[in-house]
Amino acid sequence: DIQMTQSPSSLSASVGDRVTITCQASQDISNYLNWYQQKPGKAPKLLIYDASNLETGVPSRFSGSGSGTDFTFTISSLQPEDIATYYCQQYDNLLLITFGQGTRLEIK
Amino acid sequence: QVQLVQSGAEVKKPGASVKVSCKASGYTFTGYYMHWVRQAPGQGLEWMGWINPNSGGTNYAQKFQGRVTMTRDTSISTAYMELSRLRSDDTAVYYCARIRRYSSSWYRGFDYWGQGTLVTVSS
Repeated sequence: DIQMTQSPSSLSASVGDRVTITCQASQDISNYLNWYQQKPGKAPKLLIYDASNLETGVPSRFSGSGSGTDFTFTISSLQPEDIATYYCQQYDNLLLITFGQGTRLEIK
Repeated sequence: QVQLVQSGAEVKKPGASVKVSCKASGYTFTGYYMHWVRQAPGQGLEWMGWINPNSGGTNYAQKFQGRVTMTRDTSISTAYMELSRLRSDDTAVYYCARIRRYSSSWYRGFDYWGQGTLVTVSS
């Protein structure tokens, strides 16, 4: 099984800060890595697909990079509405999809 | 517009089964695979498996094999997830989510999700 290690598990930052979350895969997954945002009581929302592609309608302050085993998700300038939990997801394998443990982002 | 609308909350006793539905609209139901993901209270996302609405083919996470059954009814564009022999740790919100398959790969992630169905397992 492919394990996804996401860090940090929680993060506190100020409005306007640059925020970075990392995700490491236990084996090479090429660029088959997505990032989701989940707000309390809501379904997850796709932000970034295939490591670095911005989903339609998602603000450009969100970005992703990486390939192979190491991936990064960045919010260039944190906004109050970005408070949420963020998950990475690998989908390299048609038969197995796994999520990272999540990163809870709070405003300082 | 694309919508995935799930059935309402359920309360079940340990050992019982639950069947959650996910009605799709606004797109060709057979053109996207439907996955199921669950989230226990205060916990992360856990992938359960998928169904190909076109063929009815399924694939389940090893953890749920033998207890989960995913089906679909193309005449009403609805996918179902049935979980049997429920335990207290099956208490969770269950989501359906769609994704397109392109050749031997998935394509662009889970772009639409249902609103979630809370299943509570309690004696």
